Amino acid sequence: AQTVTQSQPEMSVQEAETVTLSCTYDTSENNYYLFWYKQPPSRQMILVIRQEAYKQQNATENRFSVNFQKAAKSFSLKISDSQLGDTAMYFCAFMPFNTGTASKLTFGTGTRLQVTL
Amino acid sequence: SAVISQKPSRDICQRGTSLTIQCQVDSQVTMMFWYRQQPGQSLTLIATANQGSEATYESGFVIDKFPISRPNLTFSTLTVSNMSPEDSSIYLCSTGGRAGGYEQFFGPGTRLTVL
Repeated sequence: AQTVTQSQPEMSVQEAETVTLSCTYDTSENNYYLFWYKQPPSRQMILVIRQEAYKQQNATENRFSVNFQKAAKSFSLKISDSQLGDTAMYFCAFMPFNTGTASKLTFGTGTRLQVTL
Repeated sequence: SAVISQKPSRDICQRGTSLTIQCQVDSQVTMMFWYRQQPGQSLTLIATANQGSEATYESGFVIDKFPISRPNLTFSTLTVSNMSPEDSSIYLCSTGGRAGGYEQFFGPGTRLTVL
């Protein structure tokens, strides 16, 4: 069974600054996917960024980037130029490879990020 | 990404009753998933629903408590049966993308409160 650990229950960052959210996972699988989801107070789960384990290049999506260290089983999220709208709960998630289609997501416990003025 | 809607968005129910939550997708998808998010907690998968077959339940969840229907490729329902206050949670459905890719997209969730 896979486990996902987010060791930072809460974090705070000032607007325009950079913040990094940590995530580690445990799996015996060699091929899998990793995700960061954002859940603002509206409770809508929003996909922020995804990473395929077979790709060495770190994924980036505008202000969001990841540092994927497969050997260390680490998958951190960096948010650059933080904005007030980034205030949300952030969940790291793991999904085993399943012929390239969607399958079960295992979530971490989440990190609550507060962006301040 | 798929556009997913859920009904109802929230409800307050009495102990011992049942509630059926609907999930509608704007395109045909093979896999649909139902998750539970207890207050202040992370998401836990309840079951996976494929069209035309019985849902596959995760450990700790049973069909008698959470019956699921998947009558076609765009729709699914989750029923929370014989509710107790411990069932108070947000229930979310999710699917893969239009192209059947691996990403999962979520509906807006149903906030259930059981008195």
